[in-house]
Amino acid sequence: EAGVTQSPTHLIKTRGQQVTLRCSPISGHTSVYWYQQALGLGLQFLLWYDEGEERNRGNFPPRFSGRQFPNYSSELNVNALELEDSALYLCASSFTGRGDYGYTFGSGTRLTVV
Amino acid sequence: SQQGEEDPQALSIQEGENATMNCSYKTSINNLQWYRQNSGRGLVHLILIRSNEREKHSGRLRVTLDTSKKSSSLLITASRAADTASYFCATAHSGGYQKVTFGTGTKLQVIP
Repeated sequence: EAGVTQSPTHLIKTRGQQVTLRCSPISGHTSVYWYQQALGLGLQFLLWYDEGEERNRGNFPPRFSGRQFPNYSSELNVNALELEDSALYLCASSFTGRGDYGYTFGSGTRLTVV
Repeated sequence: SQQGEEDPQALSIQEGENATMNCSYKTSINNLQWYRQNSGRGLVHLILIRSNEREKHSGRLRVTLDTSKKSSSLLITASRAADTASYFCATAHSGGYQKVTFGTGTKLQVIP
């Protein structure tokens, strides 16, 4: 069984540009979560999608957005990139939105904004 | 704000020793989970303990949960160099749909 896959693995963008990150959950998982991890820091919750709907979002500006597709894959979009957006972006999936079974994480996308 | 806070922030031990990490949280939880992260990669789910459980084992891992003190501990016995990683606790809050909130992590270094 394939795990959670994220693409691309690394990305370098210029300040002001826009970026789209992609995530495919484990088959059967309907919930997808996005986290931001700045270098050496903990995980900051970004967004949670379940059954195609945005269920919750963290304390991030509106230029961070996303969506979930009918096949439960997800995209994270970041507009007007700033230097402090440089981070590891992690996607996770789970069976339900209640955190009952733990999350399965992808390997992340390392975004560098220059 | 972060729900879980791990302690210590960093821990360095010799191979073969036991490593204990603690996690404290603030509000009622449905369950508490521990994850490992190797060197800036994705997190790996280690163990989940539900709010009505007090102790759980998985291989060399032992997790305890004290809901009255709102704290948990992760014990890794007979540590190996390969256990070198950051360890995070995560809490799933009570009541309906919720997100899982991660703590700040403990960096464990196991010296061969």
